[in-house]
Formats: sequence, C-alpha cells, structure tokens
Amino acid sequence: QQPVQSPQAVILREGEDAVINCSSSKALYSVHWYRQKHGEAPVFLMILLKGGEQKGHDKISASFNEKKQQSSLYLTASQLSYSGTYFCGTEGPGGSQGNLIFGKGTKLSVKP
Amino acid sequence: NAGVTQTPKFQVLKTGQSMTLQCAQDMNHEYMSWYRQDPGMGLRLIHYSVGAGITDQGEVPNGYNVSRSTTEDFPLRLLSAAPSQTSVYFCASSPLGGAYGYTFGSGTRLTVV
Repeated sequence: QQPVQSPQAVILREGEDAVINCSSSKALYSVHWYRQKHGEAPVFLMILLKGGEQKGHDKISASFNEKKQQSSLYLTASQLSYSGTYFCGTEGPGGSQGNLIFGKGTKLSVKP
Repeated sequence: NAGVTQTPKFQVLKTGQSMTLQCAQDMNHEYMSWYRQDPGMGLRLIHYSVGAGITDQGEVPNGYNVSRSTTEDFPLRLLSAAPSQTSVYFCASSPLGGAYGYTFGSGTRLTVV
C-alpha cells in the first residue's frame, strides 16, 4: 500500500520551517525521502532504516518512528531552492526487496 | 559515469502500437525499477528487479512487460499501448542491500493517442 503523506501542499516564506509527514499501514524496514523539481527527475535526500534514527542533511533532517510506522521530514530556515515536491518511499516489513513504494507527494513552495 | 540513461526522452504512440522504453545504468547496481508518474498520483511502481534474471511485479504491472538479461539493462515493453498509459516513465537503480538511495533517470514522456 502507498504510504500517506501530509500535508498535500504547503506555502512558506523564506526562513520559515516546515514538517512533512509520512505514515504507513504496515511495518517498515526503511523510509526514503526524495525531492523533485518541476520537469526533473526525483533526487535522493536521505534514507532512514528501522531503529528510530534521525538523520540530518544541511538544514533538512528526518526522523523515523518504527513503532508508529511514521517518518517526518523537517525543513528549517527554508530557502527558495527548497521548492519542489517531496516524496517519501517505503520498504518493508521483511527487509529490502527492491520494491520501493512512494506516497503521492507534498508540494512545497517557498516565496521570497 | 553516465548514471541511469533512459531513451527515448519523448514518444508519441498510436493506440495498439507496441514499443520498448530503454533503461541502462553503468553503476553496477543490482536493484532496478520502473515507475510511472501521473498528476496527483505520485510515483507508482510498475516492475522491479533485484538482479539479472529476476523480475517481479509492482503496484501497476498490467500492460507492461520487463526482462533483465544483464545487470546494466532493464527495458520496459508496452505490449499494446492504450491512452491510459500516457504518463512520464522513470527508471531507477540502487545498490543491493536496502541502505542506499535510488538514482533516477531523466524520464520518458509518453503520449498515446
């Protein structure tokens, strides 16, 4: 089943923060996060493996709550370059089997 | 190092025609996948492979066929194109093990009329 992302869209001013959530109805082995700009291919941001770790990538970080089958992506002090559609992808529960399933995406618009 | 290469970039087909979308990667990745992207639907998995000779169905496999005879290539065949297959198709690859992200090709925009 597709993971569920929320919100569907968010508009920010430069410097504001945002949180994008991803939840699954099944146990997860891993959660991926990607960003896609208009007309381009998705680009990998980070992966979180089961174990509840939190990762950071510049001012973008993410957490993974294995028990709740949820992940959140945190964007702090947003920049214009953060605009795009963010997708979470999930694998599980039996470990990585090459079948990464994506949510429908969250469109993020950062305004000056 | 070209990464993941998809051809063609654009294609227009008539209903009922068949064609093959090509995908090649030069990173020696074991995992390869095909996705289609439609407005509001996200990326939906069509077929995937964990290595040469091994393929499996994803979320939306009907009307598509794949094979993987080499590690590098993973072509997607449309058997009899339908307007519902109008979409942007992405190929992606990843190393084995599940601890790595996927690298996407630049996509093929397919229109079926």
